Formats: sequence, structure tokens, C-alpha cells
Amino acid sequence: AQKVTQAQTEISVVEKEDVTLDCVYETRDTTYYLFWYKQPPSGELVFLIRRNSFDEQNEISGRYSWNFQKSTSSFNFTITASQVVDSAVYFCALRVQGGKLIFGQGTELSVKP
Amino acid sequence: DVKVTQSSRYLVKRTGEKVFLECVQDMDHENMFWYRQDPGLGLRLIYFSYDVKMKEKGDIPEGYSVSREKKERFSLILESASTNQTSMYLCASSLGRRSSNYGYTFGSGTRLTVV
Repeated sequence: AQKVTQAQTEISVVEKEDVTLDCVYETRDTTYYLFWYKQPPSGELVFLIRRNSFDEQNEISGRYSWNFQKSTSSFNFTITASQVVDSAVYFCALRVQGGKLIFGQGTELSVKP
Repeated sequence: DVKVTQSSRYLVKRTGEKVFLECVQDMDHENMFWYRQDPGLGLRLIYFSYDVKMKEKGDIPEGYSVSREKKERFSLILESASTNQTSMYLCASSLGRRSSNYGYTFGSGTRLTVV
């Protein structure tokens, strides 16, 4: 089965706190791609990062970092020093052979001033 | 920048009506997708298309059909709208025929309410 699980439905933090959004995936494919998208209140999904299954290097982009661990089938997303503008719904997604993108349920992050 | 445009941001329709949701992309992408988004369920794939006149069922195709007569346009059709089809509908496109390494570009969504 191909599946993405984001166990955290909602997270609330205070500005400047660090926060980690969890993502666990299932697939039998040996080649696959993992994504994170952000959906602000405007509704449009914004691409954040893509990682292929052969590249387990962690990635850092400003206040964002991603930890990909194949051994635990996880692709977690950390925001350092969160800001109010980070408030959004975040989706983790898995793209397998054949091209379909399978989404997790989403995590709604609320950053309070 | 690739732009994916959905014709309506908000739509209210009556039960039993035939509803058309339109999606247009401007970067010659081969692949187009329709998802619906519901709280707690994430995004679920309704239909997708890898080329003109091609369509394939996603995970929840029941009650929907699609049309792709031109490469840039992918229409989602609700043959007879029902209240359980009240949802946010998102269109997406991507480059690369059956290619797994490209991300999707999404439209802003159409929030459909069926009364």
C-alpha cells in the first residue's frame, strides 16, 4: 500500500519556538519522491521541497530544515524560530512510479504572537 | 512561472445540478490532476490525465467525470451534484509524462457548496 501519515492534526506554538511536523510514509517502490507543501489561508498549495529516495542528506533552507530517514520511513519538517507567517496547513506527499502524488492528512500549524 | 487557474473561487450549486469546474494551465504541462480537500482527510485524487483525451481514475472517482479536449484545460464534471460533494477542489499540473521527479503546481482552489 502507498500511504502518507501525518499524525499531528493541529499544532499550536508561540512565536520563536521551534516546531517539528512529522511525516511517515509507506511504499514498496524503490524509487520515489517526497514533498512538503504549505497551504496558507489563501488556499493555494506552495511547494517547499522535494527529496528523492536515494538522497538521504538533510536539507536546510533558512529557518526550514528537513530530516529524511529511510530506515524509519520518515520525512520530518522543522521550522526554527517560528513566525506568525508560518501559520498554515502543511502537507507531506509521496510520489511513486506512475506519477500520482499521495498526500497526508495535513497538519495545521498555528503560530501565536 | 507556471500558472494554474481555476475559473471560480467560490461556487454554490443546488442538489441535482450538473456542475463544471474548469482548470487551465499555461506552461504546456502534460499531466493534470483534480483533487478534493476535506478536513482530516487531506487531499484525495479524483481523476488525472497524462495527455489530451486521456483520463484515469484516481482514488475517489465516483460521482465525477472529466474532460481533456485541449492540453491546457482539464475540466471536472459533477453529473448530478450532491451535498456530500461540498468540498474544496484543487487542480494541479506537472511536467513530464509519467515522470515521478517533478512536483505539482496547484491552482488556488474552488470551494464548492452544494445546497
